[in-house]
Amino acid sequence: DTEVTQTPKHLVMGMTNKKSLKCEQHMGHRAMYWYKQKAKKPPELMFVYSYEKLSINESVPSRFSPECPNSSLLNLHLHALQPEDSALYLCASSQPGRRYQETQYFGPGTRLLVL
Amino acid sequence: EDKVVQSPLSLVVHEGDTVTLNCSYEVTNFRSLLWYKQEKKAPTFLFMLTSSGIEKKSGRLSSILDKKELFSILNITATQTGDSAVYLCAGSGNTGKLIFGQGTTLQVKP
Repeated sequence: DTEVTQTPKHLVMGMTNKKSLKCEQHMGHRAMYWYKQKAKKPPELMFVYSYEKLSINESVPSRFSPECPNSSLLNLHLHALQPEDSALYLCASSQPGRRYQETQYFGPGTRLLVL
Repeated sequence: EDKVVQSPLSLVVHEGDTVTLNCSYEVTNFRSLLWYKQEKKAPTFLFMLTSSGIEKKSGRLSSILDKKELFSILNITATQTGDSAVYLCAGSGNTGKLIFGQGTTLQVKP
């Protein structure tokens, strides 16, 4: 089973709202990722969690706040977003630490619209 | 700076044609090269390549890596309309980060 699930599928929020995106995997992977993808562009890495610890933050604005409650779950908390933050937010997971075994499996994404 | 460049950026073919997608990379402490197919939503994994000259195949798709020339190709034979998608190439070093290319948009016409 190579499934990563994400909820919600779609989200519309105002600039003053607080919302959260959720990601879950049951493949036993210990690395999880958040990506942002704009139309006709490749995914851009935002955060990496390895063994439930934040290992990479790609200089993402503080209005995006990741959280990894356990090895299967990854959240992205959103607050005071801007319209330019509208995008497809992808979660991915992989098994780190094994030589050449860095295949990342992606979830279906949450399409976010900020009004 | 690490970078991955794909060509062509877009391609239109007819069903039954064979296509070759190109990917060149410069990735520090390179470990693997990955190909993904993206339709409406999430990228779906196609291949991971780590060794030069060893072709990986899955049905009508195949891919090979040249670590000397820092290059990979993805071949699709007997294309079908269902192959229409964006094909993403990504390089991986030892940091866990994927460096994506811009993608090749393939359109297969009936």
